Amino acid sequence: KAGVTQTPRYLIKTRGQQVTLSCSPISGHRSVSWYQQTPGQGLQFLFEYFSETQRNKGNFPGRFSGRQFSNSRSEMNVSTLELGDSALYLCASSRQDREHEKLFFGSGTQLSVL
Amino acid sequence: KQEVTQIPAALSVPEGENLVLNCSFTDSAIYNLQWFRQDPGKGLTSLLLIQSSQREQTSGRLNASLDKSSGRSTLYIAASQPGDSATYLCAVREGNMLTFGGGTRLMVKP
Repeated sequence: KAGVTQTPRYLIKTRGQQVTLSCSPISGHRSVSWYQQTPGQGLQFLFEYFSETQRNKGNFPGRFSGRQFSNSRSEMNVSTLELGDSALYLCASSRQDREHEKLFFGSGTQLSVL
Repeated sequence: KQEVTQIPAALSVPEGENLVLNCSFTDSAIYNLQWFRQDPGKGLTSLLLIQSSQREQTSGRLNASLDKSSGRSTLYIAASQPGDSATYLCAVREGNMLTFGGGTRLMVKP
């Protein structure tokens, strides 16, 4: 069974540009969440989707947005990139929207903003 | 607001030692606690998941305990090996989100 797949693996952008990251969850998983990891702030929750609906959102500016498609694949978009957006962006999936479910993470997308 | 702390931030041990990693959280109203391993530049690998009603979970050389009332969890690694070198993160689940600790960077020397 394939794991959580994130594309692209690496991205280099310049300030002011926008970027879209993709996440394909494990087959059968309907919940997808996104996290930002930086050396200074650690891992921080961005948002979570279940059945195409955003159920929870972390404390990030509106430049960060996401969506989920009917096949559970999810995309995350960051507009007007800033240097501080450089980070490893991780996506996680689980089968159902149940609190006891284990989360499975992808390998992440490493975004560098120059 | 939930806060999760991991101590120590870094740990270096010789191969073969048994070791304990600590995780503490401020709000005990959690659904579960999960321990992850992260290798440099990689994603997270789930090691153990402890439900709020459980006291411990075991997988191979790993044992994780949870004391919800005191807001603490420990990850015990028996007979450590160089391949165990990685960053270990704990995360508590509340609702639909995880709150992570800062991690413990473990180095096991041959």
